[in-house]
Amino acid sequence: QNVVTQEPSLSVSRGGTVTLTCGLRSGSVSTDSYPAWYRQTPGQPPRTLIYNTNIRSSGVPDRFSGSILGNRAALTITGAQADDDCDYYCVLYMGGGIWMFGGGTRLTVL
Amino acid sequence: QVQLVQSGAEVKRPGASVKISCKASGYSFTNFYVHWVRQAPGQGLEWMGMINPAGGSTTNAQRLQGRVTMTRDTSASTVSMYLSNLGSDDTAVYYCARTPDYWGQGTLVTVSS
Repeated sequence: QNVVTQEPSLSVSRGGTVTLTCGLRSGSVSTDSYPAWYRQTPGQPPRTLIYNTNIRSSGVPDRFSGSILGNRAALTITGAQADDDCDYYCVLYMGGGIWMFGGGTRLTVL
Repeated sequence: QVQLVQSGAEVKRPGASVKISCKASGYSFTNFYVHWVRQAPGQGLEWMGMINPAGGSTTNAQRLQGRVTMTRDTSASTVSMYLSNLGSDDTAVYYCARTPDYWGQGTLVTVSS
């Protein structure tokens, strides 16, 4: 069982909006967790989307946004496109120099 | 432009060790931490550890404690990751990644007898 939790799978209609979340099995995620988000297509390295909660990496369109929702980090994708159909990972800073990835969310664009 | 170029694929026997290097260019090498992340076939990402190229300090994931070592060579703008006592579950693609946003191309390590 992952300490960092993500939805195993989600789906969104093309053009729609979806929110992926990243939580802790025990405890709350805050900006002090420095949440970051990545997407990955098969056979490729991950690509950074968001870091430090809500900072978009260079070249990432503004339809990707990061936030804290309640006690979880969130990645919201608006205007979903066909090539958003891939895997998404979050990572959290656990303190003491330690980071942990979530198990990933498989996003399907219908 | 920022680039992280990793060494090539490796095939190792169980119990052996592997060294993967990651050469950085396009930025000030000592200004950014470098992380190591691996991905077993069909699995998710696993954070292994990170190194501060400025002073060489490291932190590692607890489950790899004692088997992983990270070093840096500032003159060559290169960080290296050593993993010892390899087992079949160490078969994975290994990535270096510069905080917060650039990734190497990945290095496949296959552990097989």
